[in-house]
Amino acid sequence: QQQVRQSPQSLTVWEGETAILNCSYEDSTFDYFPWYWQFPRESPALLIAIRPVSNKKEDGRFTIFFNKREKKLSLHITDSQPGDSATYFCAAIQGGRALIFGTGTTVSVSP
Amino acid sequence: EAAVTQSPRNKVTVTGGNVTLSCRQTNSHNYMYWYRQDTGHGLRLIHYSYGAGNLQIGDVPDGYKATRTTQEDFFLLLELASPSQTSLYFCASSGREDNQAPLFGEGTRLSVL
Repeated sequence: QQQVRQSPQSLTVWEGETAILNCSYEDSTFDYFPWYWQFPRESPALLIAIRPVSNKKEDGRFTIFFNKREKKLSLHITDSQPGDSATYFCAAIQGGRALIFGTGTTVSVSP
Repeated sequence: EAAVTQSPRNKVTVTGGNVTLSCRQTNSHNYMYWYRQDTGHGLRLIHYSYGAGNLQIGDVPDGYKATRTTQEDFFLLLELASPSQTSLYFCASSGREDNQAPLFGEGTRLSVL
């Protein structure tokens, strides 16, 4: 059973557009939600993270929107750049410190 | 500088072979993790540990053993490797503080023929 779900599986946007990546989760005990990005032939790296006490977290062009009641998050990438082309993973940490990942969304930004 | 180092970076073995993947972190982190990454599945948790001598079972533990010998070192053991274990393996570590997302190593690509 997939505890963290992501959609869409892949996404193509034009340079300058906003990309929206969706994430949902099952377990209400998750208490920290990091997003990672991964470039080809590299390891995942932390991009931005949020805790359930907040409903929004912003870092430059990247913003997480969080809806605790619906158990949903979304990552918005505004003014998308070709260098943002990567696979993005939504993840969740349980109280026992086991990081659970979604299956990822591959974003392609066309110039 | 925080670091997680995996070895080997690439490994080829045959079905039934014995493989050990190594991971060392120099971050004084308590938590260490082993993941496998496969197309269509994202990253799946195999085993993790809270500290030396501790081992917790992840979501896909079958066919894998792990051992945490020290705070720095975490090993993943495949005692009878199968082709289904061909994958990219990542080790990660994180601290005890609530707002620390795990830091990943560079990965080990394993092929089981």
